[in-house]
Order: sequence, then structure tokens, then C-alpha cells
Amino acid sequence: DAKTTQPNSMESNEEEPVHLPCNHSTISGTDYIHWYRQLPSQGPEYVIHGLTSNVNNRMASLAIAEDRKSSTLILHRATLRDAAVYYCIGRSYNTDKLIFGTGTRLQVFP
Amino acid sequence: DAGVTQSPTHLIKTRGQQVTLRCSPKSGHDTVSWYQQALGQGPQFIFQYYEEEERQRGNFPDRFSGHQFPNYSSELNVNALLLGDSALYLCASSHTGTFDGELFFGEGSRLTVL
Repeated sequence: DAKTTQPNSMESNEEEPVHLPCNHSTISGTDYIHWYRQLPSQGPEYVIHGLTSNVNNRMASLAIAEDRKSSTLILHRATLRDAAVYYCIGRSYNTDKLIFGTGTRLQVFP
Repeated sequence: DAGVTQSPTHLIKTRGQQVTLRCSPKSGHDTVSWYQQALGQGPQFIFQYYEEEERQRGNFPDRFSGHQFPNYSSELNVNALLLGDSALYLCASSHTGTFDGELFFGEGSRLTVL
């Protein structure tokens, strides 16, 4: 399982873009990069995932470095509801098991 | 679609007791995983059930056991409770074979051991 490293916390103002970095230098060629977030008093929820190419969905964008040793989750316009702990996870292609780190706690200020 | 539902939401036990937590997966999902989340930490994988059998297991003692029923719902049992078992227990469901897809989590059962 790929080990990931994230900053403990980050801050943003509302309606500004947020870039959440993640290092995963031990990731294998078949590990997907998944991002989940956990809002207060809730279970984790899926945000986005990718393998090699950059990915976009309604919630966020995922930029993956060419060497796949790092990635960045991009929230284009932060809202107060985006305040959560964001987890970057390297997931083996043949397993449902997620290995969570301690994540990045994102604070969003009005 | 009700999503993943867990019960009870909160419970208090004393050391040495036993506890059973329940999970109903999202409609159409056949795989259930359990996670333990201590305060301030990320969730830790306990085990996963598919076709009523334990398919994968994390680094948890045998006091932690589980079961999956024919309707895909699942139970997590913890025997001989310790103070350190106090945590949020999360259930996640998925459809086996979709390994690059998303897992759906319930809101968890918060266990306090006194």
C-alpha cells in the first residue's frame, strides 16, 4: 500500500481556489490515487480519483504529476461547506481496502 | 436510495463487555468493510466481507469479528472491550470488482468504553 504524506492543516478564504498537496513517492504503477473528505460528525465521502491523467468532476479537479509521486486536489472556489479533513489515499488496483493517513484539515473563512 | 446505514449511532459500554454494531450497505452493493477511527486519527481498516466470508483483514486482534448475511448486511462484534476500543466505527460498502470506484461510508457508530 502506498504511503501518502499531506500537510496537517491548510486555510482558505471563501470563494478562493484551494490546492491541497499530497506526496506518494512509493506509489506503484497500478495504484490509483483517491481523495476522500470527512465533514464534521460524518463518515468519509468520495471526492475524486485518478491513475495518470488529470481528472475533473463536479466537486474538484485532481492534478497528477507526470512521475506520479505527487498529486494536488484543487477546489476551484472554496465554500464554508468545504471545511473538512481531506485524505489522499493510494489504492491498489485489486482491492477495496483504503489506507488512510491523518489527512489535511481545511479551514475556510468567510 | 438510503445509502449506507449504521446502528446504533451511539453506545456506551464498560470494560470486558461485548458489543455488536450493524451495517446495511447501499442498494446494489455486495461488499462491506469496517473501519475504526480513533479521535483525531484517520480511519483504520478492520476487515472486509464479501459473499458472507472475510476477504481481507487489517491489523486487529481476534476480539474483533464480523459476519455478513445473505442480504449483504453486516455485523461487527467486539469482545472483551478495552478502554482503547473507544472510537467511531465506520462501515463502507462497494460493489466488488469496481476497484477503482468509490466506497460509500455510513455516518458511523460511536462507541465509548468506560
